[in-house]
Amino acid sequence: GNSVTQMEGPVTLSEEAFLTINCTYTATGYPSLFWYVQYPGEGLQLLLKATKADDKGSNKGFEATYRKETTSFHLEKGSVQVSDSAVYFCALTTSNTGKLIFGQGTTLQVKP
Amino acid sequence: DTAVSQTPKYLVTQMGNDKSIKCEQNLGHDTMYWYKQDSKKFLKIMFSYNNKELIINETVPNRFSPKSPDKAHLNLHINSLELGDSAVYFCASSQDQAVRSYEQYFGPGTRLTVT
Repeated sequence: GNSVTQMEGPVTLSEEAFLTINCTYTATGYPSLFWYVQYPGEGLQLLLKATKADDKGSNKGFEATYRKETTSFHLEKGSVQVSDSAVYFCALTTSNTGKLIFGQGTTLQVKP
Repeated sequence: DTAVSQTPKYLVTQMGNDKSIKCEQNLGHDTMYWYKQDSKKFLKIMFSYNNKELIINETVPNRFSPKSPDKAHLNLHINSLELGDSAVYFCASSQDQAVRSYEQYFGPGTRLTVT
Protein backbone atom coordinates (compact mmCIF):
# COMPACT_ATOMS: atom_id res chain seq x y z
CA GLY A 1 0.00 0.00 0.00
CA ASN A 2 0.91 3.67 -0.11
CA SER A 3 3.06 5.04 2.69
CA VAL A 4 5.29 7.93 3.71
CA THR A 5 8.39 7.70 5.87
CA GLN A 6 10.01 10.71 7.51
CA MET A 7 13.20 11.02 9.46
CA GLU A 8 12.88 10.57 13.17
CA GLY A 9 12.79 13.65 15.32
CA PRO A 10 13.10 15.76 17.23
CA VAL A 11 15.52 17.86 15.21
CA THR A 12 17.20 20.61 17.22
CA LEU A 13 19.05 23.37 15.40
CA SER A 14 20.51 26.75 16.19
CA GLU A 15 19.08 29.81 14.49
CA GLU A 16 20.41 30.33 10.94
CA ALA A 17 21.40 26.67 10.57
CA PHE A 18 20.61 24.66 7.44
CA LEU A 19 17.62 22.34 7.67
CA THR A 20 16.93 19.07 5.91
CA ILE A 21 14.03 16.80 6.81
CA ASN A 22 14.05 13.60 4.80
CA CYS A 23 10.88 12.14 3.32
CA THR A 24 10.52 9.05 1.16
CA TYR A 25 7.37 7.48 -0.15
CA THR A 26 5.92 4.30 -1.55
CA ALA A 27 3.00 4.70 -3.90
CA THR A 28 1.16 3.03 -6.72
CA GLY A 29 0.42 5.42 -9.50
CA TYR A 30 1.66 8.96 -9.64
CA PRO A 31 1.22 10.75 -6.32
CA SER A 32 0.98 14.42 -5.51
CA LEU A 33 3.32 15.33 -2.65
CA PHE A 34 2.88 17.83 0.15
CA TRP A 35 4.57 19.28 3.20
CA TYR A 36 2.26 20.48 5.94
CA VAL A 37 3.35 22.32 9.09
CA GLN A 38 1.69 22.29 12.50
CA TYR A 39 2.61 25.09 14.86
CA PRO A 40 2.06 24.50 18.59
CA GLY A 41 -1.62 24.34 19.48
CA GLU A 42 -2.79 24.84 15.90
CA GLY A 43 -4.11 22.84 12.98
CA LEU A 44 -2.04 21.89 9.96
CA GLN A 45 -1.39 24.30 7.15
CA LEU A 46 0.05 23.64 3.74
CA LEU A 47 3.69 24.65 3.42
CA LEU A 48 4.38 23.56 -0.16
CA LYS A 49 3.45 20.96 -2.74
CA ALA A 50 4.57 19.31 -5.99
CA THR A 51 2.43 17.36 -8.39
CA LYS A 52 4.87 15.86 -10.90
CA ALA A 53 8.44 14.63 -11.15
CA ASP A 54 11.16 17.29 -10.88
CA ASP A 55 8.67 19.92 -9.71
CA LYS A 56 10.05 22.10 -6.94
CA GLY A 57 7.65 23.42 -4.33
CA SER A 58 8.72 26.47 -2.36
CA ASN A 59 7.29 28.79 0.27
CA LYS A 60 8.64 30.96 3.11
CA GLY A 61 12.23 29.94 2.28
CA PHE A 62 11.42 26.22 2.37
CA GLU A 63 11.91 24.05 -0.70
CA ALA A 64 11.33 20.44 -1.71
CA THR A 65 11.86 18.71 -5.06
CA TYR A 66 9.78 15.77 -6.27
CA ARG A 67 12.33 13.03 -7.08
CA LYS A 68 10.65 10.10 -8.77
CA GLU A 69 13.87 8.12 -9.23
CA THR A 70 14.57 8.12 -5.49
CA THR A 71 10.89 8.39 -4.41
CA SER A 72 11.81 11.30 -2.18
CA PHE A 73 10.55 14.77 -1.29
CA HIS A 74 13.08 16.16 1.19
CA LEU A 75 12.34 19.49 2.86
CA GLU A 76 15.14 22.08 3.03
CA LYS A 77 15.66 25.60 4.32
CA GLY A 78 18.87 27.52 4.16
CA SER A 79 18.57 29.45 7.40
CA VAL A 80 16.02 28.50 10.04
CA GLN A 81 14.47 30.90 12.54
CA VAL A 82 13.06 30.32 16.01
CA SER A 83 9.60 30.88 14.51
CA ASP A 84 10.08 27.77 12.32
CA SER A 85 9.79 25.56 15.41
CA ALA A 86 6.89 23.24 14.63
CA VAL A 87 5.98 19.71 13.54
CA TYR A 88 6.46 19.05 9.83
CA PHE A 89 4.44 16.41 7.98
CA CYS A 90 5.20 14.94 4.59
CA ALA A 91 2.10 13.61 2.83
CA LEU A 92 0.90 12.16 -0.44
CA THR A 93 -2.30 11.51 -2.28
CA THR A 94 -2.78 9.21 -5.25
CA SER A 95 -6.52 8.89 -5.50
CA ASN A 96 -9.43 11.06 -6.53
CA THR A 97 -10.90 10.75 -3.06
CA GLY A 98 -8.62 13.37 -1.53
CA LYS A 99 -7.23 10.84 0.93
CA LEU A 100 -3.98 12.20 2.34
CA ILE A 101 -1.47 9.72 3.70
CA PHE A 102 0.86 11.32 6.22
CA GLY A 103 4.30 10.50 7.48
CA GLN A 104 4.79 10.32 11.22
CA GLY A 105 5.80 13.98 11.53
CA THR A 106 9.15 15.50 12.47
CA THR A 107 9.41 17.95 15.33
CA LEU A 108 11.79 20.84 14.69
CA GLN A 109 13.07 22.97 17.54
CA VAL A 110 15.14 26.02 16.70
CA LYS A 111 17.13 27.63 19.51
CA PRO A 112 18.27 31.25 19.51
CA ASP B 1 -12.69 35.25 9.73
CA THR B 2 -11.98 31.59 10.49
CA ALA B 3 -11.99 29.35 7.41
CA VAL B 4 -12.50 26.00 9.15
CA SER B 5 -13.81 26.10 12.70
CA GLN B 6 -14.40 23.33 15.22
CA THR B 7 -16.26 23.23 18.49
CA PRO B 8 -15.43 22.51 21.17
CA LYS B 9 -11.67 23.03 21.32
CA TYR B 10 -11.36 20.82 24.39
CA LEU B 11 -13.63 17.99 25.44
CA VAL B 12 -13.16 16.02 28.64
CA THR B 13 -15.63 13.23 29.30
CA GLN B 14 -15.99 9.86 30.96
CA MET B 15 -15.95 6.42 29.41
CA GLY B 16 -19.29 5.31 28.07
CA ASN B 17 -20.58 8.80 27.31
CA ASP B 18 -21.73 10.01 23.89
CA LYS B 19 -20.30 13.23 22.48
CA SER B 20 -20.28 15.28 19.29
CA ILE B 21 -17.74 17.54 17.64
CA LYS B 22 -18.92 20.14 15.18
CA CYS B 23 -17.10 21.48 12.13
CA GLU B 24 -17.98 24.32 9.79
CA GLN B 25 -16.16 25.76 6.80
CA ASN B 26 -16.86 29.09 5.11
CA LEU B 27 -14.62 28.52 2.09
CA GLY B 28 -17.34 27.22 -0.20
CA HIS B 29 -15.53 23.89 -0.49
CA ASP B 30 -17.27 20.74 -1.65
CA THR B 31 -15.32 18.19 0.40
CA MET B 32 -14.81 17.85 4.15
CA TYR B 33 -12.73 15.40 6.17
CA TRP B 34 -12.16 14.11 9.67
CA TYR B 35 -8.68 13.11 10.82
CA LYS B 36 -7.49 11.62 14.11
CA GLN B 37 -4.10 12.58 15.55
CA ASP B 38 -2.82 10.26 18.25
CA SER B 39 -0.48 11.04 21.13
CA LYS B 40 2.55 10.47 18.90
CA LYS B 41 1.26 13.07 16.41
CA PHE B 42 0.41 10.43 13.81
CA LEU B 43 -2.46 11.57 11.57
CA LYS B 44 -4.94 9.23 9.94
CA ILE B 45 -8.00 9.98 7.89
CA MET B 46 -11.32 8.73 9.23
CA PHE B 47 -14.03 10.02 6.91
CA SER B 48 -14.68 12.38 4.04
CA TYR B 49 -17.84 13.80 2.53
CA ASN B 50 -18.39 15.46 -0.81
CA ASN B 51 -21.56 17.52 -1.06
CA LYS B 52 -23.12 15.54 1.79
CA GLU B 53 -22.17 12.19 0.21
CA LEU B 54 -19.82 9.82 2.08
CA ILE B 55 -16.64 9.29 0.04
CA ILE B 56 -14.11 7.82 2.47
CA ASN B 57 -14.93 5.58 5.39
CA GLU B 58 -11.72 4.14 6.78
CA THR B 59 -11.59 1.27 9.25
CA VAL B 60 -13.20 3.15 12.08
CA PRO B 61 -15.37 1.60 14.83
CA ASN B 62 -19.11 1.89 14.27
CA ARG B 63 -19.26 4.03 17.39
CA PHE B 64 -18.04 6.89 15.19
CA SER B 65 -20.67 8.37 12.93
CA PRO B 66 -20.18 11.42 10.73
CA LYS B 67 -23.12 13.57 9.75
CA SER B 68 -23.19 16.22 7.05
CA PRO B 69 -26.37 18.36 7.13
CA ASP B 70 -25.03 20.51 4.29
CA LYS B 71 -21.76 20.88 2.46
CA ALA B 72 -20.49 23.52 4.88
CA HIS B 73 -20.84 21.31 7.95
CA LEU B 74 -19.48 17.93 8.95
CA ASN B 75 -20.09 16.76 12.49
CA LEU B 76 -18.61 13.75 14.25
CA HIS B 77 -20.65 11.84 16.79
CA ILE B 78 -19.00 9.28 19.03
CA ASN B 79 -20.99 6.76 21.06
CA SER B 80 -19.84 4.83 24.11
CA LEU B 81 -16.51 6.61 24.40
CA GLU B 82 -13.45 4.54 25.27
CA LEU B 83 -10.07 5.49 26.70
CA GLY B 84 -8.45 4.80 23.31
CA ASP B 85 -10.58 7.50 21.70
CA SER B 86 -8.50 10.14 23.45
CA ALA B 87 -6.80 12.10 20.67
CA VAL B 88 -6.93 15.35 18.76
CA TYR B 89 -9.55 15.34 16.02
CA PHE B 90 -9.07 17.62 13.04
CA CYS B 91 -11.63 18.67 10.52
CA ALA B 92 -10.45 19.75 7.07
CA SER B 93 -11.93 20.86 3.78
CA SER B 94 -10.85 21.10 0.16
CA GLN B 95 -12.29 22.53 -3.00
CA ASP B 96 -12.74 19.23 -4.82
CA GLN B 97 -11.40 15.89 -3.63
CA ALA B 98 -11.03 14.66 -7.21
CA VAL B 99 -8.24 17.16 -7.95
CA ARG B 100 -5.19 15.79 -6.20
CA SER B 101 -3.25 19.05 -6.16
CA TYR B 102 -5.85 20.93 -4.12
CA GLU B 103 -4.71 21.64 -0.60
CA GLN B 104 -6.73 20.76 2.42
CA TYR B 105 -7.50 23.47 4.98
CA PHE B 106 -7.47 22.27 8.56
CA GLY B 107 -9.39 23.42 11.58
CA PRO B 108 -7.66 24.11 14.92
CA GLY B 109 -8.47 20.67 16.30
CA THR B 110 -10.54 19.29 19.18
CA ARG B 111 -8.61 17.66 21.99
CA LEU B 112 -10.76 14.82 23.34
CA THR B 113 -9.79 13.31 26.68
CA VAL B 114 -11.68 10.27 27.91
CA THR B 115 -11.27 9.46 31.60
